[in-house]
Amino acid sequence: DIQLTQSPSFLSASVGDRVTITCRASQGISYSLAWYQHKPGKAPELLIFTASTLQSGVPSRFGGRGAGTEFILTINNLQPEDYATYYCQQVKSSPFTFGGGTKVEIK
Amino acid sequence: EVQLVESGGTLVQPGGSLRLSCTASGFRFSAYGMQWVRQVAGRGLEWVSSIGDGYTDYLVSLKDRFTISRENAENSLYLQMNSLRVEDTGVYFCGRVVHTNYGPHIDLWGRGTQVTVSS
Repeated sequence: DIQLTQSPSFLSASVGDRVTITCRASQGISYSLAWYQHKPGKAPELLIFTASTLQSGVPSRFGGRGAGTEFILTINNLQPEDYATYYCQQVKSSPFTFGGGTKVEIK
Repeated sequence: EVQLVESGGTLVQPGGSLRLSCTASGFRFSAYGMQWVRQVAGRGLEWVSSIGDGYTDYLVSLKDRFTISRENAENSLYLQMNSLRVEDTGVYFCGRVVHTNYGPHIDLWGRGTQVTVSS
């Protein structure tokens, strides 16, 4: 199985900050990576697919890049509604594993 | 409104069975593959199963106990869970799948249904 390691697992940031989350795969997965945002009690939301494609309706302050084994999610100008947990998921091969999550909290 | 709504989660004893449902609305359900993903305590998100055009797929550790199915005429997805264990406790989400050249991702999720396995 392909393992995904997300870092950090927790971060504290202020409104307006730039936030960077890293996701590393145990083997090369090309561009087969998605990023999701999840708030407690709500449906997770797709942010990014194929490593860098912004899902329709997602604000442009979210961005993804990377390929192979290292991927980055960046949130520019962090907004109050961005406080949530973020997950990466590899969709290269079954089982479609997720990273452990990064919880973004208010500083 | 385009949405997915899960139901069927409840408290069940170890060894028991449960069938989860996911009802789709606002889109042509039959045109999409679907997945179940769970959030188990302390373990983040975990892919459980997929169903598509003529195929099903499972997390290997669940394959003998869980069965995914769908009824397109009712816009519904199901997950039959047997021989439930305490470690199956969590929130179960259904998701609509979109395929690209790089694989399937979930572009629409439900809010989830809570399954608690306890005596």
